[in-house]
Amino acid sequence: EVQLVESGGNLVQPGGSVRLSCAASGLSVSSNYMTWVRQAPGKGLEWVSVIYTGGATYYADSVKGRFTISRDTGKNTVYLQMNSLTVEDTAVYYCARGARGDDNKLYFDYWGQGTPVTVSS
Amino acid sequence: QSVLTQPPSVSGAPGQRVTISCVGSTSNIGAGYDVHWYQHLPGTAPKLLIYGNTNRPSGVPDRFSGSKSGTSASLAITGLQAEDEADYYCQSYDTNMYGPDVVFGGGTKLTVL
Repeated sequence: EVQLVESGGNLVQPGGSVRLSCAASGLSVSSNYMTWVRQAPGKGLEWVSVIYTGGATYYADSVKGRFTISRDTGKNTVYLQMNSLTVEDTAVYYCARGARGDDNKLYFDYWGQGTPVTVSS
Repeated sequence: QSVLTQPPSVSGAPGQRVTISCVGSTSNIGAGYDVHWYQHLPGTAPKLLIYGNTNRPSGVPDRFSGSKSGTSASLAITGLQAEDEADYYCQSYDTNMYGPDVVFGGGTKLTVL
């Protein structure tokens, strides 16, 4: 059974940093496309970042240059390092496994419960 | 403002059929990219409902079905049940001036009357 468990969410001041973790079981993070998706209060889902099996990483324009996705294969965990945080980054952050469709693009078939990040002074 | 446009809300009585639309453009759905649908209850993990426009993952009831035509897609739910009350999101892929991107619709809140 696949399980994704996020942690690390916290209250942080504007300009601050936080690192989120996504501990996986039932799948290998190095053999899958691991993704972060967020939901701001009262808003919809927003794709944030993905790390491909080969290690390539991609980011939404809204977080490019501030967020870094990485993985630790020994701990089977994916991370999201979030720097220079603004109030617009306040959201619940979900970890998800990406699967390739027939169009060779990703959809997300396993999700974690999410971890909340609040950016406020 | 989402690249994919969904109605903010839909409603229906138990047993009825409802549809949720997802309107895109020639840079996403109309470019041939697949549409996927998720069900999300606040405070829980989103759940994949439909992938590849029309396919249901194992365990998803056949009351849920998806379709795609041109630059739009739809999710249909028949035999509405109280447990279907949730937020629904479509998702696809977009190639725009800023680069390729995974995109979600703004979400639709389904109320079972």
